[in-house]
Amino acid sequence: AQSVTQLGSHVSVSEGALVLLRCNYSSSVPPYLFWYVQYPNQGLQLLLKYTTGATLVKGINGFEAEFKKSETSFHLTKPSAHMSDAAEYFCAVSVDSGGSNYKLTFGKGTLLTVNP
Amino acid sequence: DAGVTQSPTHLIKTRGQQVTLRCSPKSGHDTVSWYQQALGQGPQFIFQYYEEEERQRGNFPDRFSGHQFPNYSSELNVNALLLGDSALYLCASSLRSGAQYFGAGTRLSVL
Repeated sequence: AQSVTQLGSHVSVSEGALVLLRCNYSSSVPPYLFWYVQYPNQGLQLLLKYTTGATLVKGINGFEAEFKKSETSFHLTKPSAHMSDAAEYFCAVSVDSGGSNYKLTFGKGTLLTVNP
Repeated sequence: DAGVTQSPTHLIKTRGQQVTLRCSPKSGHDTVSWYQQALGQGPQFIFQYYEEEERQRGNFPDRFSGHQFPNYSSELNVNALLLGDSALYLCASSLRSGAQYFGAGTRLSVL
């Protein structure tokens, strides 16, 4: 079974500061990893994904994440926070079995607050 | 190109009633997954449909059932509603091993 731990339920940064949201996973087989963002009263929007290949993944809105197998981590970063980045962020893990796309297992989420 | 659409957006039911939620996948997608998101929590996997069959199921009781139609759209049915079923229900679509794309969800309130 897979699991995800997001360290820090609430992260607060100043506008223009570095954003770092932490995610650690557990999986007995090579994982697929995802970051999603959820704005109030909305569904989830895919920010980026790691499946295979390059371990540094670039996503939308200037976000990127690095897959570190030795640390079982997939932390999300953005060099400079914007007010519009304030939202809830979810890390998720999945595994691919026989070319089929199975369930996503989510972390509990990290609420990002951006202060002016 | 329309994304994943869900209906209705909001729903109020009373305990013991039954509810049906609907989902139309993103164009070209053939797989639909359903998730329950309780307030302040991450989404929890309910089940996934592919080729009109339930392919995998999460830890939810049999009161939760689903269906996928030949056009790939899907329904989630919940019988004998409990107060604890109040949540945001999210539908996600994908193409086999591709990433899952979510709809805006249906907010279910059980009174």
